[in-house]
Amino acid sequence: AQTVTQSQPEMSVQEAETVTLSCTYDTSENNYYLFWYKQPPSRQMILVIRQEAYKQQNATENRFSVNFQKAAKSFSLKISDSQLGDTAMYFCAFMKKDRGATNKLIFGTGTLLAVQP
Amino acid sequence: NAGVMQNPRHLVRRRGQEARLRCSPMKGHSHVYWYRQLPEEGLKFMVYLQKENIIDESGMPKERFSAEFPKEGPSILRIQQVVRGDSAAYFCASSPGTGGVLFFGPGTRLTVL
Repeated sequence: AQTVTQSQPEMSVQEAETVTLSCTYDTSENNYYLFWYKQPPSRQMILVIRQEAYKQQNATENRFSVNFQKAAKSFSLKISDSQLGDTAMYFCAFMKKDRGATNKLIFGTGTLLAVQP
Repeated sequence: NAGVMQNPRHLVRRRGQEARLRCSPMKGHSHVYWYRQLPEEGLKFMVYLQKENIIDESGMPKERFSAEFPKEGPSILRIQQVVRGDSAAYFCASSPGTGGVLFFGPGTRLTVL
């Protein structure tokens, strides 16, 4: 069974600074996806970034980038130039990828990020 | 293209009543997923459906919970004889196929008195 661990329950960063959120996972699968979702106070789940395990290049989306270390099973999220609107709960998630996979997302317990003015 | 729609956004039920949660997937999406988020926890998978079929219900409690995705109309998550422990946010997500991104709805917050 797959597990996703987020060891930082809460983090704080000053506006315009950079912050890194940690995520590790455990799986025996070789093909999979990793995701970061954001849940602001509105509770809406918003996709931040996706990484395919077979791709060595780290995914980036504007101010958001990941550091994907497949051998170490680590998938951290870096937020550059933090903005007040980045304040949210951030969830790391794993999805198995193969024929017959059911698109089931396994979520971590989340990291609450507060961006301070 | 409208996103995933869920209604109601808030639902209050007394113990023993039935709760019916509705989800309309994004246009063109035929795969629907239900997740539950208990207070202070991450989302937990409940069930995955395609039109008229339940594909994976490994996360559904064995009793009182059921889900359907009929040929016409929204997907329904039904909770019979609700108890206080059912109080949670229930999220629906959809995708156009397998192996891709899930798009989430805004959730239904169920409160059981």
